[in-house]
Amino acid sequence: GNSVTQMEGPVTLSEEAFLTINCTYTATGYPSLFWYVQYPGEGLQLLLKATKADDKGSNKGFEATYRKETTSFHLEKGSVQVSDSAVYFCALIVRTGNQFYFGTGTSLTVIP
Amino acid sequence: EAQVTQNPRYLITVTGKKLTVTCSQNMNHEYMSWYRQDPGLGLRQIYYSMNVEVTDKGDVPEGYKVSRKEKRNFPLILESPSPNQTSLYFCASSSQSPSSYNEQFFGPGTRLTVL
Repeated sequence: GNSVTQMEGPVTLSEEAFLTINCTYTATGYPSLFWYVQYPGEGLQLLLKATKADDKGSNKGFEATYRKETTSFHLEKGSVQVSDSAVYFCALIVRTGNQFYFGTGTSLTVIP
Repeated sequence: EAQVTQNPRYLITVTGKKLTVTCSQNMNHEYMSWYRQDPGLGLRQIYYSMNVEVTDKGDVPEGYKVSRKEKRNFPLILESPSPNQTSLYFCASSSQSPSSYNEQFFGPGTRLTVL
């Protein structure tokens, strides 16, 4: 089947620290991969995406590379800010399907 | 402004009392979907719709109904709510199918409590 596994949170970092949130997946077909961010009290927003192997998605200083060999799509940022505090969701959809599959979410808190 | 709206934002109800959560989008999107968000489980898809009069089950459809009579609206109906349907619900829409890798736009969420 299709599923997404994210590292458990919560994650607490100091401002300017390096961030990695791990995401691995299983898919019956060829997936597209996404990171969504949810700020407190809001709906989800697309952060970045990658549609084929070795693609790198990037946005707002965040990056993730689609690694087919390790079935991973880890989220990274070199220097986090307090405003990055949010819940981050990894997600996938396979090309032949119409369903999205989300991970459980990772809560990030950045302290000054 | 392009947006997905949901109503109500908060709802407290009792077991067995039918309710409807409305969802509307103004972006002329074909694809619409409902999710529920629960602690430790992330987002799980309830139902989705590829276009008017076309709906399909997601991972957790039991106890829910949907309809898609107009392109812009996709209401979620709980005919006989139960406490295990207490959750945070999100509606989302995107142009064409998500298989086209288009961005899903999410509504602000509806927090439902069933007593």
